[in-house]
Amino acid sequence: SAVISQKPSRDICQRGTSLTIQCQVDSQVTMMFWYRQQPGQSLTLIATANQGSEATYESGFVIDKFPISRPNLTFSTLTVSNMSPEDSSIYLCSVRTGSSYNSPLHFGNGTRLTVT
Amino acid sequence: EDQVTQSPEALRLQEGESSSLNCSYTVSGLRGLFWYRQDPGKGPEFLFTLYSAGEEKEKERLKATLTKKESFLHITAPKPEDSATYLCAVQAADTGNQFYFGTGTSLTVIP
Repeated sequence: SAVISQKPSRDICQRGTSLTIQCQVDSQVTMMFWYRQQPGQSLTLIATANQGSEATYESGFVIDKFPISRPNLTFSTLTVSNMSPEDSSIYLCSVRTGSSYNSPLHFGNGTRLTVT
Repeated sequence: EDQVTQSPEALRLQEGESSSLNCSYTVSGLRGLFWYRQDPGKGPEFLFTLYSAGEEKEKERLKATLTKKESFLHITAPKPEDSATYLCAVQAADTGNQFYFGTGTSLTVIP
């Protein structure tokens, strides 16, 4: 499995501001995934970040709100823009390191975001 | 619609008291069922993958089993360090990379 480092681990932000979350992986991976984990709810996929192409967003998530960068095969950022208290959540970076189509996801430790 | 349901939501066990967690799923063509452990303030940690009905995987005090409609995570003689939230996820053949996660079972093992 890969070692996945996320920064920051937590932050408290004011509404209307933006926060960029960084994800660094210790090996090259084709796809990186960004998830949101809200209290009492299941992990929800925000988008898939592919190197060299635009991210693919899931229903309910848009690029203007959650812009993603993927400059190389080991790094990605997720920005939460124009934040509101509803954006308070844990944001998780994830990768798949196996070559099989059904290899498991591995996660970073997440960024706990509180919007006031 | 694909769905993953975990039960119970929370479970309190005495140390040494064995029990099972349930993950039931409704997907079109299972590619894999995945169990994770999540400690407070941490990301989910991968435990097992099960691919087909009848398959079993073991790791220390944990044993995962799979049928066509559900999976069980059996915990034998648990210890306080087994306290965590256990998440189940499924990957379906008709949705490519998409993983569907349950809401988890919060396990507390009391010394």
